Amino acid sequence: GQQLNQSPQSMFIQEGEDVSMNCTSSSIFNTWLWYKQDPGEGPVLLIALYKAGELTSNGRLTAQFGITRKDSFLNISASIPSDVGIYFCAGHNNNDMRFGAGTRLTVKP
Amino acid sequence: DGGITQSPKYLFRKEGQNVTLSCEQNLNHDAMYWYRQDPGQGLRLIYYSQIVNDFQKGDIAEGYSVSREKKESFPLTVTSAQKNPTAFYLCASSMVANYGYTFGSGTRLTVV
Repeated sequence: GQQLNQSPQSMFIQEGEDVSMNCTSSSIFNTWLWYKQDPGEGPVLLIALYKAGELTSNGRLTAQFGITRKDSFLNISASIPSDVGIYFCAGHNNNDMRFGAGTRLTVKP
Repeated sequence: DGGITQSPKYLFRKEGQNVTLSCEQNLNHDAMYWYRQDPGQGLRLIYYSQIVNDFQKGDIAEGYSVSREKKESFPLTVTSAQKNPTAFYLCASSMVANYGYTFGSGTRLTVV
């Protein structure tokens, strides 16, 4: 199946720093989504992107749907300790959802 | 409040035994999904169902079985044919053609 390449695999940052992670694919997607997973829980949807070039914000989170439809990035500004978790990108086409391997974020107070 | 419930949270199974993981949703969602999560890997689709009494294999269906007798319920059976069943299992639901999946809190299965 289609593979999503998500990077970086992990990040260790200081509280207050900005964070950027991205996801690329060899295939195009009609929808890109970003989820956050807390330890031992299921992922929760953060942002959904439906149009190429779309830039969407949700509080301190900003995500963009790449023009080529093969990539997306997520930025977190002014990180706080509760941002800790695993962030997953997902691409969706025709009832087929593909997930990246995740970016594990650690925030040091 | 509406939501999706997985049970149990933790499950231990002896080798050679079948075990069933429960997933119930009261969101009136048409579609339900089962994913497997292993460390360092993305979520991999096991089975999905878009309508009652119908379901489709995902990428890693071998050694698993499902049923969809009610809209609210989508249980997953991990059979003895699954060679490496220890993993975190996630159930999700959505309206058909809605991309915002709602996930349950997962079941961690360990084979002992």
